[in-house]
Amino acid sequence: DGGITQSPKYLFRKEGQNVTLSCEQNLNHDAMYWYRQDPGQGLRLIYYSQIVNDFQKGDIAEGYSVSREKKESFPLTVTSAQKNPTAFYLCASSTRYGYTFGSGTRLTVV
Amino acid sequence: GEDVEQSLFLSVREGDSSVINCTYTDSSSTYLYWYKQEPGAGLQLLTYIFSNMDMKQDQRLTVLLNKKDKHLSLRIADTQTGDSAIYFCAESRNTDKLIFGTGTRLQVFP
Repeated sequence: DGGITQSPKYLFRKEGQNVTLSCEQNLNHDAMYWYRQDPGQGLRLIYYSQIVNDFQKGDIAEGYSVSREKKESFPLTVTSAQKNPTAFYLCASSTRYGYTFGSGTRLTVV
Repeated sequence: GEDVEQSLFLSVREGDSSVINCTYTDSSSTYLYWYKQEPGAGLQLLTYIFSNMDMKQDQRLTVLLNKKDKHLSLRIADTQTGDSAIYFCAESRNTDKLIFGTGTRLQVFP
């Protein structure tokens, strides 16, 4: 079955560490996205990529980095520069008819 | 403004109809979407409507679009406890990029 796989489902990070969240899709979609979700704030766009080897900053890109070396993969790195990284992170890919979302990664700083 | 706006909470009795409202901002949006998010999960596409349509019905779901007022609504008939979730509307502004509302938490009580 086609879909998007995010891993891990839960992730704990110590302050000062970088962590990388995985996102893989086998839908053959060109566009992929990373969103951050905080309670009561909806989804905020971190980065998006419309084609391999190209990506753009979203509304809250500071403290995050991405790469898009393969069509199937769009990993997100949460760097130590991100001051408040505890959140639920959602990856998505899209066609014009809508987005397909992964099941999310909950990141907690300890 | 730049935001897609939704009320934060809606509480309905099981068997009643639910109406979730959304106000969007970009009159050139091509598609408008409704997504459902259950606890700890990603977003699931429920339905979408093309901007030249006024209404779309899909089983228990009815979407109404008022382009003049930039108002979108989702009606769920015969609401069940399994409909309890967060519902997001979204508008497409540029190619493949969606702007999400803040989400409406629907609570269904017996």
